[in-house]
Amino acid sequence: DTGVSQDPRHKITKRGQNVTFRCDPISEHNRLYWYRQTLGQGPEFLTYFQNEAQLEKSRLLSDRFSAERPKGSFSTLEIQRTEQGDSAMYLCASSSVYRDRVEKLFFGSGTQLSVL
Amino acid sequence: KQEVTQIPAALSVPEGENLVLNCSFTDSAIYNLQWFRQDPGKGLTSLLLIQSSQREQTSGRLNASLDKSSGRSTLYIAASQPGDSATYLCAVRRNYGQNFVFGPGTRLSVLP
Repeated sequence: DTGVSQDPRHKITKRGQNVTFRCDPISEHNRLYWYRQTLGQGPEFLTYFQNEAQLEKSRLLSDRFSAERPKGSFSTLEIQRTEQGDSAMYLCASSSVYRDRVEKLFFGSGTQLSVL
Repeated sequence: KQEVTQIPAALSVPEGENLVLNCSFTDSAIYNLQWFRQDPGKGLTSLLLIQSSQREQTSGRLNASLDKSSGRSTLYIAASQPGDSATYLCAVRRNYGQNFVFGPGTRLSVLP
C-alpha cells in the first residue's frame, strides 16, 4: 500500500474562483471520506463514498461543494465560487470494510486551501 | 447527535513523564473508537483502534482504554519523549451511522 495521496498539497485562490482537489485512496479500499479541518479544531465530516456511491453528506456541504468518485477509485472535491470561510485543510481518508474485519481510517496529508 | 470532547486542550510535560489524555463522547452506542496523532500542517496518523467489545489496546508505549458505559476513553503514554509532541485526536464511529466524529484534540508538548 502506498498510502492515501492528495493533490495539491497547497492551493491559494481568489474569492469567487472554483477549485478542485483530488484524492487517491489506498488501493482496494472501498470507502473514501472527505473531512475539513480548521486551525485548532478536529476534522469535520463532509461526505463519504462506498465504491462509487455517495452514501452520506453533511449539512456542511453546501450547494457550492460537490464530490465524485467515478469508478470507485480516486475522488475529487470541487468548491465553486470560493469564499474566505472555505479556507481550511481538506483531508481525505480511506478504509476497507471487507478485507479487514475492522474499519480503520487512513488519512492523506491534506490539501491546505487559502482563499484570499 | 454524537459530541466528542477532549480534555485538556493543551498539555506540557517534561520528558520521561507518564501522561493520560482524555476523550469523552455523549452517545455510548458506538461501533469503535480510534486515536490519532497529527503533526502541525500534516494529516492524521492512526495510533490505536478499540472495538466496542474491547476494553483496551496497546502499542508500544501507548495504551488506550474504553469505557462505553461512562462514555470515556483514555490514551496513556508512558515515558514521554520530545518526539511525542503533537496533537492527539480521538474519533468515534456511531453504531447506527457511517461517519466518524472527531474531538477537537489535545495539543501535547514534551519538553527535553
